[in-house]
Amino acid sequence: AQTVTQSQPEMSVQEAETVTLSCTYDTSESDYYLFWYKQPPSRQMILVIRQEAYKQQNATENRFSVNFQKAAKSFSLKISDSQLGDAAMYFCAYRSARDQGGSEKLVFGKGTKLTVNP
Amino acid sequence: EAGVAQSPRYKIIEKRQSVAFWCNPISGHATLYWYQQILGQGPKLLIQFQNNGVVDDSQLPKDRFSAERLKGVDSTLKIQPAKLEDSAVYLCASSSLWYGNTIYFGEGSWLTVV
Repeated sequence: AQTVTQSQPEMSVQEAETVTLSCTYDTSESDYYLFWYKQPPSRQMILVIRQEAYKQQNATENRFSVNFQKAAKSFSLKISDSQLGDAAMYFCAYRSARDQGGSEKLVFGKGTKLTVNP
Repeated sequence: EAGVAQSPRYKIIEKRQSVAFWCNPISGHATLYWYQQILGQGPKLLIQFQNNGVVDDSQLPKDRFSAERLKGVDSTLKIQPAKLEDSAVYLCASSSLWYGNTIYFGEGSWLTVV
């Protein structure tokens, strides 16, 4: 079974600075997807960024970018020019490209709480 | 485009009582998921439907939890009887059948069992 580990329960950053959230995962598969979701206090999970494992190029979405190291099974999220609205729980998630039986569930880490200081 | 709708948003019940949560996925999404998120943890999949068939319910506590998606659209998750450890946020999500699609989440239903 796949596992996702987020080793930083909490992180803080000054507004306008850059912060990196860590994520490692364990899998024997070669084809999969990785995601970062943001969860504000409202509890809705909002997709921040996704990465296909077959792509060598790191995904970017405006101020958000990832450092995907497939051999090391590492998938970190970098937030540049941090804003107060970035404060939330951030979850790293893994999804098989093709699960047996058709299950394409997301496997989540325990999350990192990000605080943005003004 | 409307998102994933869930109700009720908040529910407080006593242990041994029953509760039901409703979810309406994004229009046209064939796959529907129910996740349980206990405070301080990441969401855990309870059950996955594809149209009105169950794809994965391996982590659903079947002695007390049940879910259905009769017409392949909206779904209901029921807990009976509830235990204190069922206090959590129940997240519904949906996705299309397109390979590699994104999973979209609703705002969740908060359950407190006292």
